[in-house]
Amino acid sequence: ELKVEQNPLFLSMQEGKNYTIYCNYSTTSDRLYWYRQDPGKSLESLFVLLSNGAVKQEGRLMASLDTKARLSTLHITAAVHDLSATYFCAVDSVSSGSARQLTFGSGTQLTVLP
Amino acid sequence: DTEVTQTPKHLVMGMTNKKSLKCEQHMGHRAMYWYKQKAKKPPELMFVYSYEKLSINESVPSRFSPECPNSSLLNLHLHALQPEDSALYLCASSQVLFRRAYEQYFGPGTRLTVT
Repeated sequence: ELKVEQNPLFLSMQEGKNYTIYCNYSTTSDRLYWYRQDPGKSLESLFVLLSNGAVKQEGRLMASLDTKARLSTLHITAAVHDLSATYFCAVDSVSSGSARQLTFGSGTQLTVLP
Repeated sequence: DTEVTQTPKHLVMGMTNKKSLKCEQHMGHRAMYWYKQKAKKPPELMFVYSYEKLSINESVPSRFSPECPNSSLLNLHLHALQPEDSALYLCASSQVLFRRAYEQYFGPGTRLTVT
């Protein structure tokens, strides 16, 4: 059974600081997603990482994937208040037959303080 | 059009009611999903339809009954729910190529409250 561990679960950081969220998973996968969720809202896709060594950047967020270590990171540079949200990683895997499904990490609730 | 729509946005129902949630996409995606999300928890997969056939049922109680009448539409029929079923219900869809599903696009969700 695929397990996805995300840490930290809660993160308070000052504006302007840098920090990294980690996502470890237990079985082989070559496809990992990062989502953002604002309170009461749906999931917004941030990054799709498709291969070992993949790195993607959008604004102050950068995501990377190391399939050998089964680790993805989401790095926040010079945080601003607008980044406050819950961030989920999700790993793609095969379920019964050929059906594929996402397994989500527990989420990291990020609060950026002025 | 890269949008998944869900109706209603909010639903309050009693434990004896029957109601339905609706999800629609016009992106030509052939995989559609229902997730349940409780507050401060990750989404939990309930059902997956692939080419209008149910391919995954994650041991969901029978009071939840999914239906995929065509490739654009996904319904979730609700009957005799319990208060603990109150949650955000998310629909998603994805492209399928060579039997492999790709990135899932999520709808805005239906906030369900069971009284």
